[in-house]
Amino acid sequence: NAGVMQNPRHLVRRRGQEARLRCSPMKGHSHVYWYRQLPEEGLKFMVYLQKENIIDESGMPKERFSAEFPKEGPSILRIQQVVRGDSAAYFCASSPLEAGQNTEAFFGQGTRLTVV
Amino acid sequence: AQSVTQLDSHVSVSEGTPVLLRCNYSSSYSPSLFWYVQHPNKGLQLLLKYTSAATLVKGINGFEAEFKKSETSFHLTKPSAHMSDAAEYFCVVSDKASGYSTLTFGKGTMLLVSP
Repeated sequence: NAGVMQNPRHLVRRRGQEARLRCSPMKGHSHVYWYRQLPEEGLKFMVYLQKENIIDESGMPKERFSAEFPKEGPSILRIQQVVRGDSAAYFCASSPLEAGQNTEAFFGQGTRLTVV
Repeated sequence: AQSVTQLDSHVSVSEGTPVLLRCNYSSSYSPSLFWYVQHPNKGLQLLLKYTSAATLVKGINGFEAEFKKSETSFHLTKPSAHMSDAAEYFCVVSDKASGYSTLTFGKGTMLLVSP
């Protein structure tokens, strides 16, 4: 069973372009979480999705950011019109049940986005 | 709302000496607590977890943590540091105050191990 797969590992975008980050959860996992890690900061929660549903997007900026987890295929975190402040490491995690209560979340290796 | 405070941003130890990484949490409900480790440019790996069973939890690589409800603490320890332990460590709390489980991370503690 492969772990959580994120791609690309590194992504460079110019200001104003779009960034698409992909996350394939572990087999059998229907819960996906996205986190953002800025330098010198811990991981900040962005969004929690189950298959085809957004459960909690309270950590996501209201503009330019969106996430989906379709019935088929990976979860996608999309950032439109990127700005320098979007430069960060974005981590995806998956779990078979709600992560936390007796259930650990498994993390991918992250996508490091650099906006130039 | 749940929160996590990691009291030290950096901890430096010599190889072979004990490690103590401190974590205090705040939670309205009975929380689950985790420690994750992140090596440079890598993802996060679970070290250990507390989920209301034994208060002393043993994890991988010789690490352990003790849940102390009265002190709202979940400090991570290891009797003897190894060079390969140098990494960033995150304390994480989870509860169901919002109706479903969410994970809240501390800001991390960078562990530096010198020969």
